[in-house]
Amino acid sequence: EAGVTQFPSHSVIEKGQTVTLRCDPISGHDNLYWYRRVMGKEIKFLLHFVKESKQDESGMPNNRFLAERTGGTYSTLKVQPAELEDSGVYFCASSQDRGTAGGYTFGSGTRLTVV
Amino acid sequence: DQQVKQNSPSLSVQEGRISILNCDYTNSMFDYFLWYKKYPAEGPTFLISISSIKDKNEDGRFTVFLNKSAKHLSLHIVPSQPGDSAVYFCAARGSGGSNYKLTFGKGTLLTVNP
Repeated sequence: EAGVTQFPSHSVIEKGQTVTLRCDPISGHDNLYWYRRVMGKEIKFLLHFVKESKQDESGMPNNRFLAERTGGTYSTLKVQPAELEDSGVYFCASSQDRGTAGGYTFGSGTRLTVV
Repeated sequence: DQQVKQNSPSLSVQEGRISILNCDYTNSMFDYFLWYKKYPAEGPTFLISISSIKDKNEDGRFTVFLNKSAKHLSLHIVPSQPGDSAVYFCAARGSGGSNYKLTFGKGTLLTVNP
């Protein structure tokens, strides 16, 4: 089966600009997660979708971040306006069941650099 | 406040020897623990996990040990191979309503020298 696909793989934008990251989960996976790793730090939870519904967005840094999941399929994460501290690698993951013993399948990530 | 700590940023071992990666946690509500391996430019991939009701889980060359009283777990790789060179992340999650949310450590870069 195809894995979790994220694009772009890299994005370099100027402070104040808008960037939209996209994630295509594994087909049939109802649960979709966004995580972020800021350089040198741990991978941190951002939010969790079940189908098209946001179940938990407690990890979203602030209201400059907006995530959507249209029709319960792919998801987008928009940062507007981007700030320097938003730089990092944004990972998307998906799973059929929440709390699955085997963990989640992660995408390769989008490396965002804000200059 | 880091709830999952990997205090060794890096570890270097010789091929064929044992690699031991350590992880400590502070949140008593965690009851399931996972190890992920990450190669450069790739996402983390699931390696092995352990429930808090166990103290050991083995899968081939990989064994995870859990010491619940010490809030400590470790990943043993025996024998280590050059292809094991990667960043290893320890992760934990709670039960019930929060069982979807993983809390990660900062990772340990393992280098296995031929």
